Amino acid sequence: QTVVTQEPSLTVSPGGTVTLTCASSTGAVTSGYYPNWFQQKPGQAPRALIYSTSNKHSWTPARFSGSLLGGKAALTLSGVQPEDEAEYYCLLYYGGAQWGVFGGGTKLTVL
Amino acid sequence: QVTLKESGPVLVKPTETLTLTCTVSGFSLSNARMGVSWIRQPPGKALEWLAHIFSNDEKSYSTSLKSRLTISKDTSKSQVVLTMTNMDPVDTATYYCARISVAVAGIDYWGQGTLVTVSS
Repeated sequence: QTVVTQEPSLTVSPGGTVTLTCASSTGAVTSGYYPNWFQQKPGQAPRALIYSTSNKHSWTPARFSGSLLGGKAALTLSGVQPEDEAEYYCLLYYGGAQWGVFGGGTKLTVL
Repeated sequence: QVTLKESGPVLVKPTETLTLTCTVSGFSLSNARMGVSWIRQPPGKALEWLAHIFSNDEKSYSTSLKSRLTISKDTSKSQVVLTMTNMDPVDTATYYCARISVAVAGIDYWGQGTLVTVSS
């Protein structure tokens, strides 16, 4: 059973920078896993932020960026705003039988 | 404008079969570069990918739930249907459908979700 691991929680001050990571139990995450990142606020459906490691959707604020960092996928928020407080999920594509696996989510607190 | 909307029962009994429908608009299920995924989220827990289907009828299922899931589509009705057999209280969750775009190698649009409670 493939497991995708994220930090359970992180706290950042307004205006600060924070990096969330996404690791795979199968080894290093590469661009071939097409990492996707999603934001979910309480009571709402998830919203897509990043696709294929580092590409932003047309609606993604510029302060969000995606990358690969130390064998993991990473989502960096620069100049964090209070409205960025949310749960963030990564999704990795494995193909084959288990096509996609979500991480457990990171609860980001802006304090 | 791309939209997806889930519909189905809000309450099912244990051992029953759940049937959920995702009705899409703003894109066609016959588009070779599009597909639809089903994803669920138990209350207070993480997202879980369940299944997907593409225009060529390629399907894939969660390995842990494969024996209970069936995904299908009706292109003329712009609908994707997910059935899950032998429902259990642990299957209580919000069920989402979402569009997969090959162009972005990922999910770009989500439905609002529908909460399904499994209880006798």
